[in-house]
Amino acid sequence: QKEVEQNSGPLSVPEGAIASLNCTYSDRGSQSFFWYRQYSGKSPELIMSIYSNGDKEDGRFTAQLNKASQYVSLLIRDSQPSDSATYLCAVRFRGSSNDYKLSFGAGTTVTVRA
Amino acid sequence: NAGVTQTPKFRILKIGQSMTLQCTQDMNHNYMYWYRQDPGMGLKLIYYSVGAGITDKGEVPNGYNVSRSTTEDFPLRLELAAPSQTSVYFCASSPKTINYGYTFGSGTRLTVV
Repeated sequence: QKEVEQNSGPLSVPEGAIASLNCTYSDRGSQSFFWYRQYSGKSPELIMSIYSNGDKEDGRFTAQLNKASQYVSLLIRDSQPSDSATYLCAVRFRGSSNDYKLSFGAGTTVTVRA
Repeated sequence: NAGVTQTPKFRILKIGQSMTLQCTQDMNHNYMYWYRQDPGMGLKLIYYSVGAGITDKGEVPNGYNVSRSTTEDFPLRLELAAPSQTSVYFCASSPKTINYGYTFGSGTRLTVV
């Protein structure tokens, strides 16, 4: 199984600040990258996907991808208490045996202080 | 549109008992997956299926079995439950074009005592 590494945190940010989450992956041939949000006791929810180098913005969320450096990041602007959750990075690896599934990082727990 | 439905939500098993975790999706997705999630350990793939009649092992298949007789259903069977199988189990599905990511069920919290 391919490796996906995230800082476990916890990451504590004040309300209104920017939360920055990082993820690195082992396979240079990886093609698709996803960020999931998971509230305590709930299932993961897809919040962002990115496939090309650069930035992708969706509301207060921005995903950044750098394939040469093999990292993907998630920025949460104007952080709200409702953003307090664990964020999972997921990577789709190429290859016939890996075409159909994602590998997940262990997650970064974010706490937004009011 | 119900998405991915898992039952039961909670279950307590005694060591050595067996049970089946049910998973059904109504999105006509080809691919289905079973993951387990232990605290601080992320999601580990148990089994997956790319279509009816086709299943394959993931990272942690020991102690589990699956079947995929229809596109909609992908049950996970636990035989001879052990305390190490205490975990939260998630079923997920995705369309054939996996760039869309997974849709997860609500999970089953299993405790083996």
